[in-house]
Amino acid sequence: DTAVSQTPKYLVTQMGNDKSIKCEQNLGHDTMYWYKQDSKKFLKIMFSYNNKELIINETVPNRFSPKSPDKAHLNLHINSLELGDSAVYFCASSQDRVLAELRETQYFGPGTRLLVL
Amino acid sequence: QKEVEQNSGPLSVPEGAIASLNCTYSDRVSQSFFWYRQYSGKSPELIMSIYSNGDKEDGRFTAQLNKASQYVSLLIRDSQPSDSATYLCAVATPGNTPLVFGKGTRLSVIA
Repeated sequence: DTAVSQTPKYLVTQMGNDKSIKCEQNLGHDTMYWYKQDSKKFLKIMFSYNNKELIINETVPNRFSPKSPDKAHLNLHINSLELGDSAVYFCASSQDRVLAELRETQYFGPGTRLLVL
Repeated sequence: QKEVEQNSGPLSVPEGAIASLNCTYSDRVSQSFFWYRQYSGKSPELIMSIYSNGDKEDGRFTAQLNKASQYVSLLIRDSQPSDSATYLCAVATPGNTPLVFGKGTRLSVIA
């Protein structure tokens, strides 16, 4: 039933480890996103994919690598985790990438709470 | 750089009062405006969208848009303790861009 789902919900790991977060949407949307929300609640865009193609790649360390095997899935792999990576990571999706023109918006997954020790 | 500004709060209102949340945006060509509600430990949930100048009402919520002043607001009538959350303003601009979010206003409705 869940429109946008993420796994895992919680992730506690040691510095230096490599971890992955998975996202799936069953809305039939073409565009998916990764956001990072820090302790001050600011939602910052990291990446966006449209039909498996990377279209937005913000200033993010290259330890972060997104991958979209198909348009319903978007994964995020993080190498060499650092303390500053601790945050909530939200996946989102939208029908299309041109949000303003089509009056579309984004729908969020439940988030993955990452804690790096 | 596109910016969306909100007062971080907390905004405290008594139960039954009107809560007024404000948002300004920097990009004049912005076309779509959204309010999301985020409860602590949960994900942002869309509650209102507005595209044209004026007011749009949905139950206890009214969104107001003034493109000339680059200003969006959300009014919550008959505020309830269950409305206590962080409210995020988000703006869409033409082109291949994601929503730009403000930092959110924390609302506390006191019983």
